[in-house]
Amino acid sequence: KAGVTQTPRYLIKTRGQQVTLSCSPISGHRSVSWYQQTPGQGLQFLFEYFSETQRNKGNFPGRFSGRQFSNSRSEMNVSTLELGDSALYLCASSPVLGSTGELFFGEGSRLTVL
Amino acid sequence: SQQGEEDPQALSIQEGENATMNCSYKTSINNLQWYRQNSGRGLVHLILIRSNEREKHSGRLRVTLDTSKKSSSLLITASRAADTASYFCATEETGANNLFFGTGTRLTVIP
Repeated sequence: KAGVTQTPRYLIKTRGQQVTLSCSPISGHRSVSWYQQTPGQGLQFLFEYFSETQRNKGNFPGRFSGRQFSNSRSEMNVSTLELGDSALYLCASSPVLGSTGELFFGEGSRLTVL
Repeated sequence: SQQGEEDPQALSIQEGENATMNCSYKTSINNLQWYRQNSGRGLVHLILIRSNEREKHSGRLRVTLDTSKKSSSLLITASRAADTASYFCATEETGANNLFFGTGTRLTVIP
């Protein structure tokens, strides 16, 4: 079974631009969660999608948004990028909603904002 | 912040020694999980312990949970160089629908 796939793996943007990251979950998994990882704040929960609906959201500004498609693939978008958005963005999939079990993580998308 | 805290922040040991890392959290939980992250990569699930369990084993891993002290420990026995990584605890808090990750322990195993 293929694992969680995130694209792109690395990208560089400048302040004010926007970025879209993609995540393909493990086949059969309907839940996709997104996390931001920075050295200062650690792993912070962004949001979770299940069956194309956002089910849970962390404390991030509205510049961070996401969506999920009917095949469970998910995208997250960050608009009007700020220097502080530089981070490793991790996507995790699960067969169930919420965190009642194991999360399967992708390798992450490393975003650098200049 | 609802993050857990891990102790120590960094740990360096010789191959073959045991490594113990601790996690403390603040609220009641349904379960606690441990994950490993190799440098700059994704997280890999190691073990899950439910709030009604006190100890769990998986290969060279032993996890304990003390809900009265709101703490957990992860023991890696007979460590190997390949165990070098960051280790995170993650809690599923009662009433919440996402995991809260700890700050992580950076383990270095010296061959």
